[in-house]
Amino acid sequence: GQSLEQPSEVTAVEGAIVQMNCTYQTSGFYGLSWYQQHDGGAPTFLSYNALDGLEETGRFSSFLSRSDSYGYLLLQELQMKDSASYFCAVRGRGNTPLVFGKGTRLSVIA
Amino acid sequence: ETGVTQSPTHLIKTRGQQVTLRCSSQSGHNTVSWYQQALGQGPQFIFQYYREEENGRGNFPPRFSGLQFPNYSSELNVNALELDDSALYLCASSEGLAGVEQYFGPGTRLTVT
Repeated sequence: GQSLEQPSEVTAVEGAIVQMNCTYQTSGFYGLSWYQQHDGGAPTFLSYNALDGLEETGRFSSFLSRSDSYGYLLLQELQMKDSASYFCAVRGRGNTPLVFGKGTRLSVIA
Repeated sequence: ETGVTQSPTHLIKTRGQQVTLRCSSQSGHNTVSWYQQALGQGPQFIFQYYREEENGRGNFPPRFSGLQFPNYSSELNVNALELDDSALYLCASSEGLAGVEQYFGPGTRLTVT
């Protein structure tokens, strides 16, 4: 099976940089995804890492280390609208379903 | 391009009743997954449908069942509702079973009293 661990909450200042970590245990690994969910909204896809290294998309970057079963999401130039829950999710091999962590709730303060 | 839609938005049912939730997948997507999300938790996988066949099921009892139709829309049925079934039910569509990006609908908020 698969399990993921994420810190439950993080608070950061507007304009700063924040890193949200995710460690996972899985019997097979296909990739690590990140989703953002605002209160009352649907999860929206942010990024995906299948190989080790950093993927950058604008203010968002995601990193993966397969040997450490670890990844993180980095948000730069934080804005108030970035306040949301961020979920990492893994998919094992063989078209197994996406398994989500419990999420990190990010609060951006002025 | 039409996004994923779900109906109804909100629903209140009584314990023991049955409920049907509906989902229309994004245009061109043949895979639909259903998730249950309790307050403060991540989405939990219920099951997935690919070309009208169930392809994978999470740790949910048989009273949770589903269907996918030829147009790739889908239904989630829950029988003998329990109080713990109160949650947000999310539907997500993707291109194929290994689709990296899942597109989520707005969800149906189910309250069981």
